[in-house]
Amino acid sequence: GEEVAQTPKHLVRGEGQKAKLYCAPIKGHSYVFWYQQVLKNEFKFLISFQNENVFDETGMPKERFSAKCLPNSPCSLEIQATKLEDSAVYFCASSQSRETMGYTFGSGTRLTVV
Amino acid sequence: DQQVKQNSPSLSVQEGRISILNCDYTNSMFDYFLWYKKYPAEGPTFLISISSIKDKNEDGRFTVFLNKSAKHLSLHIVPSQPGDSAVYFCAASSGTGNQFYFGTGTSLTVIP
Repeated sequence: GEEVAQTPKHLVRGEGQKAKLYCAPIKGHSYVFWYQQVLKNEFKFLISFQNENVFDETGMPKERFSAKCLPNSPCSLEIQATKLEDSAVYFCASSQSRETMGYTFGSGTRLTVV
Repeated sequence: DQQVKQNSPSLSVQEGRISILNCDYTNSMFDYFLWYKKYPAEGPTFLISISSIKDKNEDGRFTVFLNKSAKHLSLHIVPSQPGDSAVYFCAASSGTGNQFYFGTGTSLTVIP
């Protein structure tokens, strides 16, 4: 399809529980990015993939966050033992080439940790 | 360390007039810039981009200007329409596949 599909739209987890978010990039797009929007207008880069390979993971909190992009499966972002400060909207974006139309973002998953 | 800055949190413009949104960056390695538009509860939508080899790119009512020496870019919307009311983010990156650094957004309100 021509949209980046993120599921679920909303996710509520108790502190300490696991959260798993999914992203289906646009078919044919080689790059996938995850961003975290904590405050209303601040996007924090987490990780990027080129196909199934991690391209840049400098933004990932290593101890609790992990991500995968496996062939023929949606990409996933998993948070083990969630904390209150993980509450945010998580956006996924994909691109074949940044020169064509920038990155296409999904509509986000709102994670609420209570 | 905010590498991309949008110093105006909000802007109000009359319908039909020009909207000018500004963005400054600090990293001279940035070579590709984009503008995104965002409505509440939606993901950012790509609007227009510019490579550092250009100083202007135009797409319909939207024009982006890049001043590399000043490390400054701006988005012009002419004429502004009420449907343009949204939060606008500029973003910059260096190298294909590298992360984009986002500004903190400017909320544009176009008054009918």
